[in-house]
Amino acid sequence: GIQVEQSPPDLILQEGANSTLRCNFSDSVNNLQWFHQNPWGQLINLFYIPSGTKQNGRLSATTVATERYSLLYISSSQTTDSGVYFCAAVMYSGGGADGLTFGKGTHLIIQP
Amino acid sequence: DAGITQSPRHKVTETGTPVTLRCHQTENHRYMYWYRQDPGHGLRLIHYSYGVKDTDKGEVSDGYSVSRSKTEDFLLTLESATSSQTSVYFCAISESWDQPQHFGDGTRLSIL
Repeated sequence: GIQVEQSPPDLILQEGANSTLRCNFSDSVNNLQWFHQNPWGQLINLFYIPSGTKQNGRLSATTVATERYSLLYISSSQTTDSGVYFCAAVMYSGGGADGLTFGKGTHLIIQP
Repeated sequence: DAGITQSPRHKVTETGTPVTLRCHQTENHRYMYWYRQDPGHGLRLIHYSYGVKDTDKGEVSDGYSVSRSKTEDFLLTLESATSSQTSVYFCAISESWDQPQHFGDGTRLSIL
């Protein structure tokens, strides 16, 4: 199955800083999503982005499918951005799709 | 966010007892999924359903069974719970296998 790797595993920043989180995947994907898991454990959808670029406020994401990576940009970080950011992908294998394969996440801490 | 309700939200039980977790959706989505989240492993797919009475296994299906008798409900059963099944369980839904998945708030299950 597909492999998903995220970097860095941990990131500590001061409020107001910008950051870039990376997701590498091992094969062509049909679905790629970014999630934020907040301190209460909820998984919040950030982007559905199998290819191209999207922006939502201070967050933006770019997926370069041909080079098998996706980037999540967070600008002007706020303490509420703290949590774990997951990248997850689906690859159709001919016999079917097996749901999302998740990376292990980037643990982001924004200090005031 | 998407209308997904997981129940119970928390459960503590003993080894060897049967446990059933419920996922209920109000979105009429065709696909439903069960994942578990464990430290060091991220989220992993247990089982998924692509329609009423249509289910398939995921990466970590041993020890689990599922049923879907109507579109809105997807049940996950641990026939005889073991301590290794202590985890946080998430339900997700999507319109199709390649469309974005939306997650419920999770069920925290402890097996003593």
